[in-house]
Amino acid sequence: GDSVTQMEGPVTLSEEAFLTINCTYTATGYPSLFWYVQYPGEGLQLLLKATKADDKGSNKGFEATYRKETTSFHLEKGSVQVSDSAVYFCALRPTGGFKTIFGAGTRLFVKA
Amino acid sequence: EAGVTQSPTHLIKTRGQQATLRCSPISGHTSVYWYQQALGLGLQFLLWYDEGEERNRGNFPPRFSGRQFPNYSSELNVNALELEDSALYLCASRAGLGGSSTDTQYFGPGTRLTVL
Repeated sequence: GDSVTQMEGPVTLSEEAFLTINCTYTATGYPSLFWYVQYPGEGLQLLLKATKADDKGSNKGFEATYRKETTSFHLEKGSVQVSDSAVYFCALRPTGGFKTIFGAGTRLFVKA
Repeated sequence: EAGVTQSPTHLIKTRGQQATLRCSPISGHTSVYWYQQALGLGLQFLLWYDEGEERNRGNFPPRFSGRQFPNYSSELNVNALELEDSALYLCASRAGLGGSSTDTQYFGPGTRLTVL
């Protein structure tokens, strides 16, 4: 069945470091791909999305590129801030589907 | 435009009691999803409602139930509460069956349920 696998956390970085959170997926066809962020004590917020191969989603300095050939949607940011500390969820919606499938989440800690 | 709202923010119950959680979707959205997020775990899909009907449910016992009202708001009911039901319950809304499959789910802030 369809699934999302993302790197286990926690990930601990110093401020201004480069961030990569890996995400790979299993799905037939061309699913839509999403990154959500959950700040402490809050619900999930959509961070970015991509709906077709080679699309790049971007928001707040974060980027992810839909790679069909490697079935990946890795999240990157060039320079993280303490305020980026949160849990990041990779997710997919299958082609023609209505249920979003979430990865397990990756907790990011950014130290000043 | 208002986002997804949930009430209450926090709910404390004792084992064996019933809990009722409420969700109001974004205006114009007809689909409502419920998720359970236990401490340290990812999101577990609970229920999906659209146009007043239950469309799908996750791997949870029947004591987890809900409904969707004509105004598309939704309730999640948990009967015979157990300690392990303590979690953050998240509601999300989406444009619905008539929308594109690329439509995004938008989440509410959640209800933190604590069972003592």
